[in-house]
Amino acid sequence: GAVVSQHPSRVICKSGTSVKIECRSLDFQATTMFWYRQFPKQSLMLMATSNEGSKATYEQGVEKDKFLINHASLTLSTLTVTSAHPEDSSFYICSASLQRGGRDTQYFGPGTRLTVL
Amino acid sequence: GENVEQHPSTLSVQEGDSAVIKCTYSDSASNYFPWYKQELGKRPQLIIDIRSNVGEKKDQRIAVTLNKTAKHFSLHITETQPEDSAVYFCAASHTGRRALTFGSGTRLQVQP
Repeated sequence: GAVVSQHPSRVICKSGTSVKIECRSLDFQATTMFWYRQFPKQSLMLMATSNEGSKATYEQGVEKDKFLINHASLTLSTLTVTSAHPEDSSFYICSASLQRGGRDTQYFGPGTRLTVL
Repeated sequence: GENVEQHPSTLSVQEGDSAVIKCTYSDSASNYFPWYKQELGKRPQLIIDIRSNVGEKKDQRIAVTLNKTAKHFSLHITETQPEDSAVYFCAASHTGRRALTFGSGTRLQVQP
């Protein structure tokens, strides 16, 4: 149990285009999902917290108009990188929060490697 | 906000030896401390976690200890194997802020 999928796994796009990344919890419902970004040989940095049915909460320094997050159902959150530029090239990883027995555990998707040319 | 520091950044051990990775955190409200293993290009995998109501937890060759007074927690891997080679991340969160704050990672290499 607690499987999280992410699509696509890799995407290469031209500068100025938009890219949508999907994060799905396959066998559980997640009212909260998180989006992280990881640059090579670095740690995971939280970008935003995605709450089902409400607006996402963005971390300081993350542009909400550039990184659009939608959490329309209990099993799906999407991240759209708008007007992507080469500096947006990174590994984007989502996680879904599983609440069970009063405890909260995060399970990660496989990540999406974005390359902006 | 929370700040998590992790040491060492790299660790090389011989197969069969033990490995210890240490983390400190700054927010006294933090009450959940997971450890993740990440292989190159893959997702972080939860390997063990501990909550603030216990001081130690063990799962086969892996153990985690927590000292809330000193605000530090450690990962212990015994009888290391080459397949333990990966990057390990500690993290912290609390009930009021469920998002994880990660340490900088430790690259563990187990030499056969």
